[in-house]
Amino acid sequence: GENVEQHPSTLSVQEGDSAVIKCTYSDSASNYFPWYKQELGKRPQLIIDIRSNVGEKKDQRIAVTLNKTAKHFSLHITETQPEDSAVYFCAASKNNRLAFGKGNQVVVIP
Amino acid sequence: DVKVTQSSRYLVKRTGEKVFLECVQDMDHENMFWYRQDPGLGLRLIYFSYDVKMKEKGDIPEGYSVSREKKERFSLILESASTNQTSMYLCASSLFRQGISGANVLTFGAGSRLTVL
Repeated sequence: GENVEQHPSTLSVQEGDSAVIKCTYSDSASNYFPWYKQELGKRPQLIIDIRSNVGEKKDQRIAVTLNKTAKHFSLHITETQPEDSAVYFCAASKNNRLAFGKGNQVVVIP
Repeated sequence: DVKVTQSSRYLVKRTGEKVFLECVQDMDHENMFWYRQDPGLGLRLIYFSYDVKMKEKGDIPEGYSVSREKKERFSLILESASTNQTSMYLCASSLFRQGISGANVLTFGAGSRLTVL
């Protein structure tokens, strides 16, 4: 099955700086790549996603890039704010079954 | 808003007890999922269902079973709870049918934290 790995496991950034989280996946047939954010004590929620026919997608301060050749995709958060502190999960899927990575703890230092 | 409701936020059970975790969604979603969340291990899929009375094993089905008698309800059953099943259990639902490529946006419930003593 699909294997998704995230790096780094923990990331601390100064408020206002950028944060980048990278995920790699194993199945070249995967065609959908979402990112979920889970704040402390809350449920995971989708923040951005990308399909395999697109290389980059942006939504305000967040963006996702996909490199199908290398089988990796990254989440970029610019101008980080304290409310960006959370655990971020990447996932990959084909046929609507998602395989999640283990999560990245992002800490934004005021 | 899509709502996925899990019946119990916190449960404490004893080893060997039978445990039912209930999940209900109100948006007529075809797909429902049960995940287990443990620190450092991320979200691991236990079972999922694409239709009523249909179920498929996920990555860690051992020790669990599921039931989907109605479209809106998906139950996770621990026949004989063990201490290694102490965890946070997350239910999720989504719209798309199996075989249709494209997005599968999951809406999660608030989670059920199970402690097995």
